[in-house]
Amino acid sequence: GAVVSQHPSWVICKSGTSVKIECRSLDFQATTMFWYRQFPKQSLMLMATSNEGSKATYEQGVEKDKFLINHASLTLSTLTVTSAHPEDSSFYICSARDVFRGRGYEQYFGPGTRLTVT
Amino acid sequence: GESVGLHLPTLSVQEGDNSIINCAYSNSASDYFIWYKQESGKGPQFIIDIRSNMDKRQGQRVTVLLNKTVKHLSLQIAATQPGDSAVYFCAENGETSGSRLTFGEGTQLTVNP
Repeated sequence: GAVVSQHPSWVICKSGTSVKIECRSLDFQATTMFWYRQFPKQSLMLMATSNEGSKATYEQGVEKDKFLINHASLTLSTLTVTSAHPEDSSFYICSARDVFRGRGYEQYFGPGTRLTVT
Repeated sequence: GESVGLHLPTLSVQEGDNSIINCAYSNSASDYFIWYKQESGKGPQFIIDIRSNMDKRQGQRVTVLLNKTVKHLSLQIAATQPGDSAVYFCAENGETSGSRLTFGEGTQLTVNP
């Protein structure tokens, strides 16, 4: 149980285009979803926290107009990288949390999406 | 600012040996700590966690030790296997960070056959 999927697993896009990444909780309802970015040989950096039906809370330094997050349902959150540039190339990972599952604070991670902007 | 860091970026061990991966944290309000394993190109995989009211917790082949006095966390892997080769991250969650996790820098564990 507690499976989180991401789609696509990898994507290559041209500079200036937008890319949407989906994060789904497959067997539970995610009251909260988190989006992380990870550069090679570095740690995970939290980008934003989203609760279903409300606006995402972005971490300091993360441009909310560039990284659009939508959490329209309890099983789906999307991250759209708008006007992507090569410096946006990274590994994007989502996680989901269900306050009614287990002890309520565990985060279940997706497999990640590799974005390459050319 | 608040941070969770690791002492060693790399660790190389022989198959069958025990591995110890260390982590230091700076947020004294942290009350929940987790160890994750991340294989190349994959998302983090939960290994074990511990709350601040405990100083030791054991799982299958893994043990987490928490020393709140010196704000230190360690992960011990018994009888390390080649499949244990990965990057290991500690993460913490504290009252001041709500549900947000702060990740450490990671340690690359390499198990030599």
